[in-house]
Amino acid sequence: NAGVTQTPKFQVLKTGQSMTLQCAQDMNHEYMSWYRQDPGMGLRLIHYSVGAGITDQGEVPNGYNVSRSTTEDFPLRLLSAAPSQTSVYFCASSYLNSQLLYEQYFGPGTRLTVT
Amino acid sequence: KQEVTQIPAALSVPEGENLVLNCSFTDSAIYNLQWFRQDPGKGLTSLLLIQSSQREQTSGRLNASLDKSSGRSTLYIAASQPGDSATYLCAAASHMEYGNKLVFGAGTILRVKS
Repeated sequence: NAGVTQTPKFQVLKTGQSMTLQCAQDMNHEYMSWYRQDPGMGLRLIHYSVGAGITDQGEVPNGYNVSRSTTEDFPLRLLSAAPSQTSVYFCASSYLNSQLLYEQYFGPGTRLTVT
Repeated sequence: KQEVTQIPAALSVPEGENLVLNCSFTDSAIYNLQWFRQDPGKGLTSLLLIQSSQREQTSGRLNASLDKSSGRSTLYIAASQPGDSATYLCAAASHMEYGNKLVFGAGTILRVKS
């Protein structure tokens, strides 16, 4: 299993540009989520999905869109990039284990700089 | 709103020392608490996962405790090694119908000197 994969690893955008961060998992997990990590702060939840066709907002959703057409893929779209969106973005997937605990798996991250 | 705080923000210890990392959370209605390790430029690796009804979990040299009533968790690392140098993050999880939402602390940067 490749686990959770993210592309690209690095990206530089100009203010106002749009782009899509890709996330895929091959573990058949129903639950997927996007976080951003800023210096000196913990990860913050942007959007999450509890299954194909179902998404909802997290703590910091403004400026981002998501969709979940398949179990495997959960892309994050930046509609009009702003310098405040400069961050490291992590995608995660999880499942409920036999102890009824959600085991989380994180991707390697995408480092985004908006100039 | 759940808030998670980690103290200290950074810690430097000599190799072989036992150490404790602290995590506090404001809302005791958590489903579970999770400790992660993050190496520079990498993603997060789950270390220990404690259900709210448990008091502690152990994995090798790592032991994590949970006290819901006081809103605290600690990660104990025994006989630290240079390879333990990383950022350690704790996250409190609230329950949803499917999956869970994690609220993270800012992390403790650990450096173990050889």
